[in-house]
Amino acid sequence: DAGVIQSPRHEVTEMGQEVTLRCKPISGHNSLFWYRQTMMRGLELLIYFNNNVPIDDSGMPEDRFSAKMPNASFSTLKIQPSEPRDSAVYFCASSSHSGVNSYEQYFGPGTRLTVT
Amino acid sequence: ELKVEQNPLFLSMQEGKNYTIYCNYSTTSDRLYWYRQDPGKSLESLFVLLSNGAVKQEGRLMASLDTKARLSTLHITAAVHDLSATYFCAVGRANKLIFGTGTLLAVQP
Repeated sequence: DAGVIQSPRHEVTEMGQEVTLRCKPISGHNSLFWYRQTMMRGLELLIYFNNNVPIDDSGMPEDRFSAKMPNASFSTLKIQPSEPRDSAVYFCASSSHSGVNSYEQYFGPGTRLTVT
Repeated sequence: ELKVEQNPLFLSMQEGKNYTIYCNYSTTSDRLYWYRQDPGKSLESLFVLLSNGAVKQEGRLMASLDTKARLSTLHITAAVHDLSATYFCAVGRANKLIFGTGTLLAVQP
């Protein structure tokens, strides 16, 4: 398996622009998670989906952030408009509800976002 | 609210020495995970601990879980430079994982 795939790996954009981050989870996994990591705040869970349905979006910082999962193999995290304080590394992770290591999360390589 | 605390936050070790990282959590859970993150990289799963008394070992790392004490430990034996990284514990809550703050481990020659 290719693991969790994220794109782009790096994104540099200007304040006010729309940013879309993409994630392809591991095939067969039921849950998908979006995290943000910064030096100041550490690793924060933004939102997660079970079977393509958003379950908990309490970590989404504000209305500028939105996430979708239109099917089991694709999710997006969108920031509109972007601000410099959104600069961070955004990770996507997926997990399965079954198997020996159920609920173990597998992380993608991350997208490093810089907003100038 | 489930809280996960790791200590120490930063650990500077000499090669060949032993040390332990501690992970305490505030409410009941029967699933605990340890991850490693190298600088500029993603998180890599190290251990999955699913029951009280579980112990797992991989090379110089050994993890254990005491669900009654709500404590997990990650023991490092005879540290080598390649172990330098940030180590996170994470506790299962429903489908989510609640992560600790991480321990930055620096192994000095």
